Amino acid sequence: KAGVTQTPRYLIKTRGQQVTLSCSPISGHRSVSWYQQTPGQGLQFLFEYFSETQRNKGNFPGRFSGRQFSNSRSEMNVSTLELGDSALYLCASSFWGPSTDTQYFGPGTRLTVL
Amino acid sequence: ELKVEQNPLFLSMQEGKNYTIYCNYSTTSDRLYWYRQDPGKSLESLFVLLSNGAVKQEGRLMASLDTKARLSTLHITAAVHDLSATYFCAVDIAREYGNKLVFGAGTILRVKS
Repeated sequence: KAGVTQTPRYLIKTRGQQVTLSCSPISGHRSVSWYQQTPGQGLQFLFEYFSETQRNKGNFPGRFSGRQFSNSRSEMNVSTLELGDSALYLCASSFWGPSTDTQYFGPGTRLTVL
Repeated sequence: ELKVEQNPLFLSMQEGKNYTIYCNYSTTSDRLYWYRQDPGKSLESLFVLLSNGAVKQEGRLMASLDTKARLSTLHITAAVHDLSATYFCAVDIAREYGNKLVFGAGTILRVKS
């Protein structure tokens, strides 16, 4: 069974640009979550999508947005990039059920903002 | 504001020794996760603990959950070098409304031979 895939794996952008990251969940998983990991702030929840709807949201500015497609693939977009957006962005997918809900993480996209 | 606190944040131990990593959290939750992260890598799921008193074991690692005390522990038995990694606990605060994990700061474990 294929795992969570994320593309691209590495990105270098400059301040003010925008970026789109992609995540393909494990087959059959309908919940996709995004997390940002930085040395200073650790792992922080961005948002979760389920059946094409944003179900949960973290405390990030509106420059961070996402969407989910009918095949459960998800994208996140960051507009007007700032230096502080440099981070590892992790996508996680889960089947989401009442009794078991392991979230499986993808390899991440490392974004560097210059 | 929910806080998830791990301690210690750094642990250097000799091979063959036992140790425990603690994870305290400040809100009600009956769903707690433990993950492992190797340098430059993603997160690997170790345990999902879904109820008070839950105990799970895999190899040299054993995790437990006490929801009344809002405490989870990750016990390492007879450590080996391959266990060197960063370990995170995470609490799901969305519960029946989906997934929303709040992570601890992580415990960097170094096992010396």
